[in-house]
Amino acid sequence: SYELTQSPSVSVSPGQIASITCSGHNLGDKYVCWYQQKPGQSPVVVIYKDSKRPSGIPERFSGSNSGNTATLTISGTQAMDEADYYCQAWDSSTVVFGGGTKVTVL
Amino acid sequence: QVQLQESGPGLVKPSQTLSLTCTVSGGSIRSGDYYWSWIRQPAGKGLEWIGHIYSSGNTNYNPSLKSRVTISVDTSKNQFSLRLSSVTAADTAVYLCARSITGTDATSHYYYYMDVWGSGTTVTVSS
Repeated sequence: SYELTQSPSVSVSPGQIASITCSGHNLGDKYVCWYQQKPGQSPVVVIYKDSKRPSGIPERFSGSNSGNTATLTISGTQAMDEADYYCQAWDSSTVVFGGGTKVTVL
Repeated sequence: QVQLQESGPGLVKPSQTLSLTCTVSGGSIRSGDYYWSWIRQPAGKGLEWIGHIYSSGNTNYNPSLKSRVTISVDTSKNQFSLRLSSVTAADTAVYLCARSITGTDATSHYYYYMDVWGSGTTVTVSS
């Protein structure tokens, strides 16, 4: 079965850039989306189709996908961005989630 | 604005069947090119996709759960449901429903993402 791998945690200072990676075999051949989940809340999609931002998502969220790695970048990270982030792709008629990355804003 | 709400028993005994319903409001479950998904999340752990259904009844399931899962749709009630049989403590989790947007674009790549989520319901498997 297809697997998506994420680093468990990332720490970033306010105002700096946070990069969250998601790796999988030939992931660049698939579309990836990213969800943000804050404690006690449901996930919210922040990036879809690798790099598209839904309405209402701040411009500081951006995404890319090439080769075996997709990246979610948060530019000018704010305290409110502290959350768990999950990547997701579709493979063999199945939705696959990454294990999630906890972003801590120090 | 479409909203989703999960409902069902919060406690299920081992070996029994877990049954949950997701009610869609603010829009018809038959409109648009959407799939309707179930996802679960054990406490402190990540997201696990259970499966989805189209308004026509077409389904896909997570292979790891396929033998125990049934997802159905009732368009007259604007609801879709989850049944998970032979549950164990490992099935204890928050269960969420979501609307899934899918399609194939000009590059022939398939896209899939969930744009609307319910608030989730906690199900505990215990005797």
